[in-house]
Amino acid sequence: AQSVTQLGSHVSVSEGALVLLRCNYSSSVPPYLFWYVQYPNQGLQLLLKYTSAATLVKGINGFEAEFKKSETSFHLTKPSAHMSDAAEYFCAVSDGAQKLVFGQGTRLTINP
Amino acid sequence: DTAVSQTPKYLVTQMGNDKSIKCEQNLGHDTMYWYKQDSKKFLKIMFSYNNKELIINETVPNRFSPKSPDKAHLNLHINSLELGDSAVYFCASSVLQGGEQYFGPGTRLTVT
Repeated sequence: AQSVTQLGSHVSVSEGALVLLRCNYSSSVPPYLFWYVQYPNQGLQLLLKYTSAATLVKGINGFEAEFKKSETSFHLTKPSAHMSDAAEYFCAVSDGAQKLVFGQGTRLTINP
Repeated sequence: DTAVSQTPKYLVTQMGNDKSIKCEQNLGHDTMYWYKQDSKKFLKIMFSYNNKELIINETVPNRFSPKSPDKAHLNLHINSLELGDSAVYFCASSVLQGGEQYFGPGTRLTVT
């Protein structure tokens, strides 16, 4: 069975500061990993995905994530936070054949 | 062009009523899903259909019945609505099970 743990249900950073959202996964097979963003009153939008190619994955809106097998992690980063980044972020894992398993989400708040 | 659409966006109804939510995707995907997102933003998969065939049926009350008339549509019918059914329901689709999913805008169901 696969699982995802997102460390920190709420992260707050200042505008212009580094954004780091943590995600650890558990999978018995090589995982497919995803980050989704949900803006208020909207559906989920795919930010980026890892599917066994390059371990550093670049996504939309300046976000990137690095797959670290030894640490079973897939943390999401952005060098400089913008007010428009305020949203809920979800990490998800799949074995490529079954359903996606989502983490509990991390709410990102940006302080001016 | 909306990739995954849901109707209605908001649904307010009384306990005991029966209601339906419709979902359509124009991406040509074979797999469609229904998720329930509770007030704490936790996403729980309810059902998954692949080419009109039920693939995943999580522990969901029998009052919830999905129906897929064709692979572009997946509707959700809910009988005898209860207060605990209040949530946001998301439809999603993907090319393959376990692959990246594209989400609809959600339907906010409020049961009074």
